[in-house]
Amino acid sequence: NAGVTQTPKFQVLKTGQSMTLQCAQDMNHEYMSWYRQDPGMGLRLIHYSVGAGITDQGEVPNGYNVSRSTTEDFPLRLLSAAPSQTSVYFCASRPPPGSGFLLENEQFFGPGTRLTVL
Amino acid sequence: AQSVTQLGSHVSVSEGALVLLRCNYSSSVPPYLFWYVQYPNQGLQLLLKYTTGATLVKGINGFEAEFKKSETSFHLTKPSAHMSDAAEYFCAVSNTGNQFYFGTGTSLTVIP
Repeated sequence: NAGVTQTPKFQVLKTGQSMTLQCAQDMNHEYMSWYRQDPGMGLRLIHYSVGAGITDQGEVPNGYNVSRSTTEDFPLRLLSAAPSQTSVYFCASRPPPGSGFLLENEQFFGPGTRLTVL
Repeated sequence: AQSVTQLGSHVSVSEGALVLLRCNYSSSVPPYLFWYVQYPNQGLQLLLKYTTGATLVKGINGFEAEFKKSETSFHLTKPSAHMSDAAEYFCAVSNTGNQFYFGTGTSLTVIP
């Protein structure tokens, strides 16, 4: 398994540009999520999904859209980038209930995308 | 609402010394608690977790943590620090399994 993959690794945008951060997992996990990591603020949940066709907002959803058309993919869209969205973005997935105690509630993180908005 | 407080954004210990990273949480219901480690330019890796059962939880790399409900704490410890333990450590809480709240992180430096 490749686990959780994210593309691109680095991206520079100008204010107002749009882009999509890609996230994919090959572990058949139903739950997927997006976080942003900022210095001194830890990780904050942007959006999450509990399965294909189902998404919900997290702690800091403004300025971001998501969709979940397949179990494998969970892209994060910035429609009009702002400097405040400069951050490192992490995607994560989690095994479904009943996967066993060792995996229960464990999130698997991707390597991150470092985004700079000028 | 839930929140996580990690006391000390930077902790330095000598190699071989005890590591103690503090985490306190607030939650209206019994929580799931986690410690993650992040090495430079990498994603987060689970160290250990508490969901139910024994309150002393053992994780990878010799780390352990104890869930103390009365103190709303989940401090991370390791008896003897190793140079390879230098990293950023995050405490996290969840009560539904869907929304996770992370602390602001503690950067651990190990002095040779």
